[in-house]
Amino acid sequence: QQQVKQSPQSLIVQKGGISIINCAYENTAFDYFPWYQQFPGKGPALLIAIRPDVSEKKEGRFTISFNKSAKQFSLHIMDSQPGDSATYFCAASGGATNKLIFGTGTLLAVQP
Amino acid sequence: ETGVTQTPRHLVMGMTNKKSLKCEQHLGHNAMYWYKQSAKKPLELMFVYSLEERVENNSVPSRFSPECPNSSHLFLHLHTLQPEDSALYLCASSLAGTGANVLTFGAGSRLTVL
Repeated sequence: QQQVKQSPQSLIVQKGGISIINCAYENTAFDYFPWYQQFPGKGPALLIAIRPDVSEKKEGRFTISFNKSAKQFSLHIMDSQPGDSATYFCAASGGATNKLIFGTGTLLAVQP
Repeated sequence: ETGVTQTPRHLVMGMTNKKSLKCEQHLGHNAMYWYKQSAKKPLELMFVYSLEERVENNSVPSRFSPECPNSSHLFLHLHTLQPEDSALYLCASSLAGTGANVLTFGAGSRLTVL
């Protein structure tokens, strides 16, 4: 019940296309859903986050869509650029421990 | 530069060696974490220190020994490791008690156990 399931494992998108990464969770106590971006040789960095009181959050080309009833949330990258090529991790936290639980990551390659 | 610095960036050690990983943050954060990152696995939380007190130890083998002498420094002491311990070890910090659990990660220490 503590897992966050992330898909796909890897994704190839053409420049200008839309990248979509999906995550699902079971624990209804989760109330904070961040996405982290990791470039090679770097640690993960917070990209965007959402709380369950809204269904969508947009920051520039990055949008989180949140479906509370389905217990799913996704990251959409509009107009994907080669510089977006990185590994993306979804995560969730909430409940008694407030511990961040991470997904397995998605390796995104944006081809020029 | 995120404000969380990890050294060394790369470490190769034999199974009988003793080594330490170091993490330093000057962000004014009061919680520090060790994570293990292995290919195709979720980031695994190993240890959490909040206000210099260990508050979480996720069933990590005793061959990993954390130390947090103050709120800016965190160590992971390694001894008699196994080849399966080879991974990227990430340090992170956060400001506990602010509601959102926002972590700032270092670049990691790549550990290879021969």
